[in-house]
Amino acid sequence: RKEVEQDPGPFNVPEGATVAFNCTYSNSASQSFFWYRQDCRKEPKLLMSVYSSGNEDGRFTAQLNRASQYISLLIRDSKLSDSATYLCVVNNQAGTALIFGKGTTLSVSS
Amino acid sequence: GAVVSQHPSWVICKSGTSVKIECRSLDFQATTMFWYRQFPKQSLMLMATSNEGSKATYEQGVEKDKFLINHASLTLSTLTVTSAHPEDSSFYICSASLVGGGPEAFFGQGTRLTVV
Repeated sequence: RKEVEQDPGPFNVPEGATVAFNCTYSNSASQSFFWYRQDCRKEPKLLMSVYSSGNEDGRFTAQLNRASQYISLLIRDSKLSDSATYLCVVNNQAGTALIFGKGTTLSVSS
Repeated sequence: GAVVSQHPSWVICKSGTSVKIECRSLDFQATTMFWYRQFPKQSLMLMATSNEGSKATYEQGVEKDKFLINHASLTLSTLTVTSAHPEDSSFYICSASLVGGGPEAFFGQGTRLTVV
């Protein structure tokens, strides 16, 4: 089983749509969870951290289920500028580095 | 946020030559930096953890003699791809975290290496 698994997509949605991404991770000892955004040929940028209590930042909501080792990201009212690849990220077993999922590609069209 | 600068942004080299990539933390000291590689439509794969003043820790399957890492100061880590081959063509990217600042990683801009 891969350390971090995501549905690669692509997800093609119209502006204003709500879209959800899912991610599972294999290391039950992971303590830190994130969603990063990566635009084509660019470095990843932190979108938001993910907490057990769930957290929201504007149109973005992240959820963590430790029992199921499952992370989600919900984007409401999609904008054209949301088009990117969304990376699910957890820390490694030693807690020293980040392990990335393959990414889920989102394309928002007008 | 913390700034990490990576240089060069892109490089084209001939097979058999070596290429050095620099990763600098501009406004903070990084005792640990990380080197990743990303092939097209693939995830970022951790290659090695670079520790200031000591040997780097390489992930399984990464040849330490081919990918030389030097972390001689608290603000600079270098990755040298030795005797590069076309299969080494990839996007190489470094990251660093703030000591005591949580696990969030700050990334350099990445280096796109093409070996011809």
